[in-house]
Amino acid sequence: SYELTQPPSVSVSPGQTATITCSGDKLGDKYVCWYQQKPGQSPVLVIYQDIVRPSGIPERFSGSNFGNTATLTISGTQAMDEADYYCQARDSGTEVFGGGTKLTVV
Amino acid sequence: QVQLQESGPGLVRPSETLSLTCAVSGYSISSNYYWGWIRQPPGKGLEWIGTIFHSGDTYYNPSLKSRVTTSSDTSKNQFSLKLNSVTAADTAVYYCVRVVLKIVGASRFYYMDVWGNGTTVTVSS
Repeated sequence: SYELTQPPSVSVSPGQTATITCSGDKLGDKYVCWYQQKPGQSPVLVIYQDIVRPSGIPERFSGSNFGNTATLTISGTQAMDEADYYCQARDSGTEVFGGGTKLTVV
Repeated sequence: QVQLQESGPGLVRPSETLSLTCAVSGYSISSNYYWGWIRQPPGKGLEWIGTIFHSGDTYYNPSLKSRVTTSSDTSKNQFSLKLNSVTAADTAVYYCVRVVLKIVGASRFYYMDVWGNGTTVTVSS
């Protein structure tokens, strides 16, 4: 079965750029989306179709997807961005999630 | 504004059937979206369970397919999940979601743009 691999944790200082990766075989040939989940809350879609931000998502969130790696980038990271982030892609008719990355803003 | 609300028993006995319903408000499930279920075991990540279209088309996680059934009731504007023969491993927060289908060239993909608040289901005797 297809697997998406994310680092368990990423730390960033306020105002700096956070980069969260998601790796999978030929992932660049698929479309990736990203979800943000804060403690005790439901996930929120922050990027879909690799690079598209839904309405209401701040411009500091951006995405890319090339080769075997998709990347979620948060520019000028704020304390409110501290959360778990999950990537998702479709393979062989199945929706697959990455294991999630805990972003800490310190 | 579309809203989704899960409901169902919070405690299910091992080997029995987990049954959940998702009530949709602010949008008709008969329109051009898919609907689905995602779960999250305590302290763990997200797992896709299945996706349904109001016409009856269904897509299930292969690892759960033998135990999962989904259905929709357009008259009540809701859809449902049944998971049979549950074990402690099925203990999780269960979310219902609205699912967008996008077709770009030859690629067909889905993403979840609206999530319910989630409901906790514990499997225990």
